[in-house]
Amino acid sequence: SYVLTQPPSVSVAPGQTARITCGGNNIGSKSVHWYQQKPGQAPVLVVYDDSDRPSGIPERFSGSNSGNTATLTISRVEAGDEADYYCQVWDSSSDHYVFGTGTKVTVL
Amino acid sequence: EVQLVESGGGLVKPGGSLRLSCAASGFTFSSYSMNWVRQAPGKGLEWVSSISSSSSYIYYADSVKGRFTISRDNAKNSLYLQMNSLRAEDTAVYYCARDSQRTFDYWGQGTLVTVSS
Repeated sequence: SYVLTQPPSVSVAPGQTARITCGGNNIGSKSVHWYQQKPGQAPVLVVYDDSDRPSGIPERFSGSNSGNTATLTISRVEAGDEADYYCQVWDSSSDHYVFGTGTKVTVL
Repeated sequence: EVQLVESGGGLVKPGGSLRLSCAASGFTFSSYSMNWVRQAPGKGLEWVSSISSSSSYIYYADSVKGRFTISRDNAKNSLYLQMNSLRAEDTAVYYCARDSQRTFDYWGQGTLVTVSS
C-alpha cells in the first residue's frame, strides 16, 4: 500500500518560515492536499491540488510537489498556525485515500 | 453554508455494532461523493470508507473491509456507516467529509466511538 511519510515535528519562531515535507514514491505524479488540525477541532483543508488555496486560507500557506516529496510552506508564521498538519493523496492503484503520518508544528 | 453533523457514536462492547449518521446541508448532497475518516485518541487521520454520489462506487480501508458498510440516502441528505464486529482498535472520533475531486473540502465535527468492555 502507498505510504506517506512526514516528520513528527517542526519548530519555528514567529515570523519565520515553516516547511513540512510529505514523502511518497513518485508523489510528484499525484495531487497532494494538506489539512490543518488544531486540538479538539476537525481538520481544515489549507492547500489542495499541490498548491491551490481554498477561499479564506491566507496566502502565507503554499505548496509544491515534485519527485518523491511534497512540501507545505507556511510563511511569516503566527502563533495561530500551531497545529497538526497532514498531507493526503488518492492512490488509484488501490482505490484508497492515504493520509500522511502528520506533523506537529510548534511556534516557539 | 455547508454543514455536516455526525451522530450515533457511543460506548459499545467488543463484537458489538453501531450505526453512524451524517446529516448534510447547505449544498446539493446528491452531487458529491462522501467519506468517513477516523482518528484514534492521540493518533493521526485514517480514511475509512468512500461512497460516490449515486452509490455506484464504494471503497473501504483494509482495516474495516468486511465489517463496515457505508451507505447514503440522497433523499434525506444523509450518509451512514454501519459498523459491525467492533474491536478496541476501532475506538476513534469518526468524521464525515465531503469529497470534491479527491479532496476533503468540508468536515463535520465528529462523533466519538468507544469500543470497550
